Amino acid sequence: NAGVTQTPKFQVLKTGQSMTLQCAQDMNHNSMYWYRQDPGMGLRLIYYSASEGTTDKGEVPNGYNVSRLNKREFSLRLESAAPSQTSVYFCASSEGQDSSGNTIYFGEGSWLTVV
Amino acid sequence: AQSVTQLDSHVSVSEGTPVLLRCNYSSSYSPSLFWYVQHPNKGLQLLLKYTSAATLVKGINGFEAEFKKSETSFHLTKPSAHMSDAAEYFCVVSDWAGTYKYIFGTGTRLKVLA
Repeated sequence: NAGVTQTPKFQVLKTGQSMTLQCAQDMNHNSMYWYRQDPGMGLRLIYYSASEGTTDKGEVPNGYNVSRLNKREFSLRLESAAPSQTSVYFCASSEGQDSSGNTIYFGEGSWLTVV
Repeated sequence: AQSVTQLDSHVSVSEGTPVLLRCNYSSSYSPSLFWYVQHPNKGLQLLLKYTSAATLVKGINGFEAEFKKSETSFHLTKPSAHMSDAAEYFCVVSDWAGTYKYIFGTGTRLKVLA
């Protein structure tokens, strides 16, 4: 009963390095999301993919890129990491964006530190 | 524009006493509302959701919430707190903005005292 799986769980990067966070869901969901969580700020949307083949910017997209590889997978890339990108990253998915009542399901989180 | 305000960043209760976590929202349409719980170093788990059916919604672990349109509130309650309830709680509104978007509150950290 995997749900949403994201890797890696922990990562330390040096400023300027690049890395990709991987995410996969096994619920046949259409929509997928990447959020970042910072103390006192709740969750902020970085990018989302309403359906396979589409991606859109969220609230805080600068410094990130995404790829919706197929219906199951949605990756987040940091091209040149900065200390301001130190955060906890959550991947999530939902059945779709055709209804406001669709539940959003979360992965366990990826703790990223940029030094 | 949609927004969610969680009125308390921290709440402390004694074990066995009631819990009240407050949430107000603003929305242009008929939103859906959710409460999620996050235990330390874990992802977010759905507690309950309101989707325009009954205004009193029952969730897991004895939690419930009441949708009050006139007050634009969706407060989370539990009659008797348990130590395992200590966690961070997020109120979320899902509303139409071209597509359906999920807007998160900033969270309320619940502390349960023995």
